[in-house]
Amino acid sequence: DIQMTQSPSSLSASVGDRVTITCRASQGISNYLAWYQQKPGKVPKLLIYAASTLQSGVPSRFSGSGSGTDFTLTISSLQPEDVATYYCQKYNSAPPLTFGGGTKVEIK
Amino acid sequence: QVQLVESGGGVVQPGGSLRLSCAASGFTFSSYGMHWVRQAPGKGLEWVAFIRYDGSNKYYADSVKGRFTISRDNSKNTLYLQMNSLRAEDTAVYYCAKDEGQWRGVYYFDYWGQGTLVTVSS
Repeated sequence: DIQMTQSPSSLSASVGDRVTITCRASQGISNYLAWYQQKPGKVPKLLIYAASTLQSGVPSRFSGSGSGTDFTLTISSLQPEDVATYYCQKYNSAPPLTFGGGTKVEIK
Repeated sequence: QVQLVESGGGVVQPGGSLRLSCAASGFTFSSYGMHWVRQAPGKGLEWVAFIRYDGSNKYYADSVKGRFTISRDNSKNTLYLQMNSLRAEDTAVYYCAKDEGQWRGVYYFDYWGQGTLVTVSS
């Protein structure tokens, strides 16, 4: 099975900072990658699919890039409401489906 | 608006059984595949199971294969997860989640329920 590795596992940044989260697949998955945001005590929310397509209603400060094995989620200007754990998920083939381990983003 | 409402969670002893339900509304339930995803306390997300829109195809995580059964009743707009031979490591919040693809699974999730907590403990 393909493994998904996220880094870092946590980060602390200041409001207005540019934040980058990395997700690496153990094998190539083309662009079949989604990103989710889970705020503390809340339900996960789809942010990005197809590696770089923003889900409707998601602020434009979020962006995704990558293909093959290496992917990034970028928050161009971190806001207090972005405090959350972010997960990547591969979906290049029929299940089983795999999530990355998560990246916890905090405000410094 | 899409709504997914899980129920059926609770405390169960190791080896016991539990049946979760997920009532769907706000979309044509019979046209979409559905998933169960779980999250152990303080841990990350783990995909559990998927069922095709018509129930003809099902997939399971290795960790639950042979113990859990996903099913659906399209006449009642309801998704189920029958959990047997429960173990302590099955303790988690269980979310039902809608597949984004109509008629065919695309295998990512555009809507999630609020979750129901299952605790396996003696």
